[in-house]
Amino acid sequence: GEDVEQSLFLSVREGDSSVINCTYTDSSSTYLYWYKQEPGAGLQLLTYIFSNMDMKQDQRLTVLLNKKDKHLSLRIADTQTGDSAIYFCAEMENQGGKLIFGQGTELSVKP
Amino acid sequence: ETGVTQTPRHLVMGMTNKKSLKCEQHLGHNAMYWYKQSAKKPLELMFVYSLEERVENNSVPSRFSPECPNSSHLFLHLHTLQPEDSALYLCASSQDRMGAGGYTFGSGTRLTVV
Repeated sequence: GEDVEQSLFLSVREGDSSVINCTYTDSSSTYLYWYKQEPGAGLQLLTYIFSNMDMKQDQRLTVLLNKKDKHLSLRIADTQTGDSAIYFCAEMENQGGKLIFGQGTELSVKP
Repeated sequence: ETGVTQTPRHLVMGMTNKKSLKCEQHLGHNAMYWYKQSAKKPLELMFVYSLEERVENNSVPSRFSPECPNSSHLFLHLHTLQPEDSALYLCASSQDRMGAGGYTFGSGTRLTVV
């Protein structure tokens, strides 16, 4: 079945850029998403990209999509301590219309 | 608040109890979902409702019973749970099943089964 893979941990210093990577398997996915989860909270939609795009920028966030390699990345510029959270990559399964999530990458931002 | 409200936020129940989780959205969305989030595991989709009709049940044990009385409300009825059912239960909604704009999640109910 469909699978979404992410590395589990990333640690950066405040002010640096963070890059969180994700690979997925469903080549027919129409949309790919990044969600953020802070401790004790639900998932917050950060941004998403349509599969016919290769880049999307939204303030400090840049999403890059390499459809050939089925690779998605989220770059956070000027990372702040408030960005510390778990970041989930997700693909919209084209056949079933359901969202498939990765395990999440825990981002730790050190001052 | 995201527009999807879940109650209670925390629930502790014994294995013989019966309880219900509630989810409410007033976003005008037509699809609602229950997800289970356990430590160190990907989110597991449990149930999908579209226009109040259950369209997916991902091999979830019968001790979990969903109910969608209208497009704004979704319940998860729990009975005879096991300790391994302890997890964060997340409700989400989307405009339609294709969810092009993504899902909106509630804050979840932290369930502990003792």
